[in-house]
Amino acid sequence: AQKVTQAQTEISVVEKEDVTLDCVYETRDTTYYLFWYKQPPSGELVFLIRRNSFDEQNEISGRYSWNFQKSTSSFNFTITASQVVDSAVYFCALVSGSARQLTFGSGTQLTVLP
Amino acid sequence: EADIYQTPRYLVIGTGKKITLECSQTMGHDKMYWYQQDPGMELHLIHYSYGVNSTEKGDLSSESTVSRIRTEHFPLTLESARPSHTSQYLCASSKIGTGAWEQFFGPGTRLTVL
Repeated sequence: AQKVTQAQTEISVVEKEDVTLDCVYETRDTTYYLFWYKQPPSGELVFLIRRNSFDEQNEISGRYSWNFQKSTSSFNFTITASQVVDSAVYFCALVSGSARQLTFGSGTQLTVLP
Repeated sequence: EADIYQTPRYLVIGTGKKITLECSQTMGHDKMYWYQQDPGMELHLIHYSYGVNSTEKGDLSSESTVSRIRTEHFPLTLESARPSHTSQYLCASSKIGTGAWEQFFGPGTRLTVL
């Protein structure tokens, strides 16, 4: 079985603040893949990052960074210097070797206030 | 930009009507998926397909049916719409290969059944 927990239901920050979205996952498999998606108010899901279980290197892409820690089963997402356009629901997702489909977390609604 | 399309974007329909939600992708992906999502909530997989003439039910039981006659096309049909079917329906696709690949999502269809 696989499970993804996003404990933060809603977060509000003021523009230019840094914000971290938490993601904790559960799987018994040693091979698995983690994803983050962004869902703006328009409704479509936008792929942000894919990480496999053998690559624990942290990644930075512009103002976005991801911290993958197998020891704590976490794959957290940080937005630096947040902007109003970052306001969206962010989903963390997992697919592991024994499961064939993505399992999504319940999402974190991020609101960035001007 | 992912090339996956859904029509209609919005649909308001009366109880008992038959409806078909269209989904097409031009990326040549073998895998396609349908998710159901209530606003701001987690996604639930209702159908998926690994290729032509292959369809499977997802984790969430649904009264809808799907077909996959062509690689690029994965329509979802409700024979008799009910108010409980009111939701957003998201179509996605991904490639087949070693490991797990990111899914690309369409813009979604927001269905309201009166």
